[in-house]
Amino acid sequence: NAGVTQTPKFRVLKTGQSMTLLCAQDMNHEYMYWYRQDPGMGLRLIHYSVGEGTTAKGEVPDGYNVSRLKKQNFLLGLESAAPSQTSVYFCASSRGGDTQYFGPGTRLTVL
Amino acid sequence: LAKTTQPISMDSYEGQEVNITCSHNNIATNDYITWYQQFPSQGPRFIIQGYKTKVTNEVASLFIPADRKSSTLSLPRVSLSDTAVYYCLVGRRNNNDMRFGAGTRLTVKP
Repeated sequence: NAGVTQTPKFRVLKTGQSMTLLCAQDMNHEYMYWYRQDPGMGLRLIHYSVGEGTTAKGEVPDGYNVSRLKKQNFLLGLESAAPSQTSVYFCASSRGGDTQYFGPGTRLTVL
Repeated sequence: LAKTTQPISMDSYEGQEVNITCSHNNIATNDYITWYQQFPSQGPRFIIQGYKTKVTNEVASLFIPADRKSSTLSLPRVSLSDTAVYYCLVGRRNNNDMRFGAGTRLTVKP
């Protein structure tokens, strides 16, 4: 099993550009999450999903949208990127909201 | 959500036991205590979870006093590879709104 994978690993955007980060898990987990981590700080929850077709806001949802069209995938979209969205983005999944399994992260820079 | 307080950093030497304490004064009755470990450039990894008294697994032990207002993660005989950031989280077992603080940066020296 690959576990949780994230695509891409790195990306540089210009202010105002859009992009989508893809998270995929092969553990048949119901729950999936998107976090961001800024230098020297812990992770902050952006959005999460408790099942296919459902999403909910986390601690810092503004400027992001998500979709969970398939159980194994969770997409994070930035419609109009801003420098404040420069961060490392982590995706995670869990079976029932308990132990979370994290992906390797996507390092995003917005110029 | 219960607020947690951990030391910002700790240093240790190889072979020593390391104890990291987390304070959570407003822990709720249904809350569990969970610890994660994060290496540089990687996502966090689950270490241990507990509700009360003591929990032990192959990696660590978690000590929780009767009042549950604090908890201590114990790492036996650390090695250089245990250098990482350790996060203490408090919340319902199936809480989807996990709040990671800044964590404790543990540095293990030779």
